[in-house]
Amino acid sequence: QVHLQESGPGLVKPSETLSLTCTISGGSLSSYFWSWIRQPPGGGLEWIGYIYYSGTTNYNSSLKSRVTISVDTSKNQFSLNLTSVTTADTAVYYCARYGSGWYRAWGQGALVTVSS
Amino acid sequence: DIQMTQSPSSLSASVGGRVTITCQTSQDINNYLNWYQQKPGKAPKLLIYDASNLETGVPSRFTGRGSGTYFTFTINSLQPEDIATYYCQQYHTLITFGPGTKVEIK
Repeated sequence: QVHLQESGPGLVKPSETLSLTCTISGGSLSSYFWSWIRQPPGGGLEWIGYIYYSGTTNYNSSLKSRVTISVDTSKNQFSLNLTSVTTADTAVYYCARYGSGWYRAWGQGALVTVSS
Repeated sequence: DIQMTQSPSSLSASVGGRVTITCQTSQDINNYLNWYQQKPGKAPKLLIYDASNLETGVPSRFTGRGSGTYFTFTINSLQPEDIATYYCQQYHTLITFGPGTKVEIK
């Protein structure tokens, strides 16, 4: 059973870069897309983007100019960088495995607060 | 980008009652539509994929129908453990989630 775990700073200052890592255990990065999805407090789910294990990416057009998702197959990890953050980027950030069109495996979520 | 709407945004129903949620998309997405359940403080859980297929282990009181731009999700015989927010998600063009429907017990 694959397990995903988000890690990274829980507090980021405005205008700085939010960086999170998702570590996969119990499975391999191969043959799947790996996603970041976020949820502001009291809000709905917003897809940020995904990366194929080979490195191909696709991003939400509303975030594309600020987002980079990368993969490190040697560590069985993938990462999110979101630049120039504002308070509107405060959210729970989930990593998830995307296959065949849906998400069956999710991390527990990591709350990131943007505040000075 | 594909826009998605869900209605209602919230509802209240009795235990044992039937709940129906609709999801509409701004363009034809065939049947590339999934439904998730999210309980407070937890990650979403896949319930229905490809509009009408029940995920393994999910109770049969959850059903989904539709294609094109109009989809429905039904809970037959609502149970107390079904209290949650439900989201639709399309994957015809990248990924979009609907705004969610919060289900409560009357």
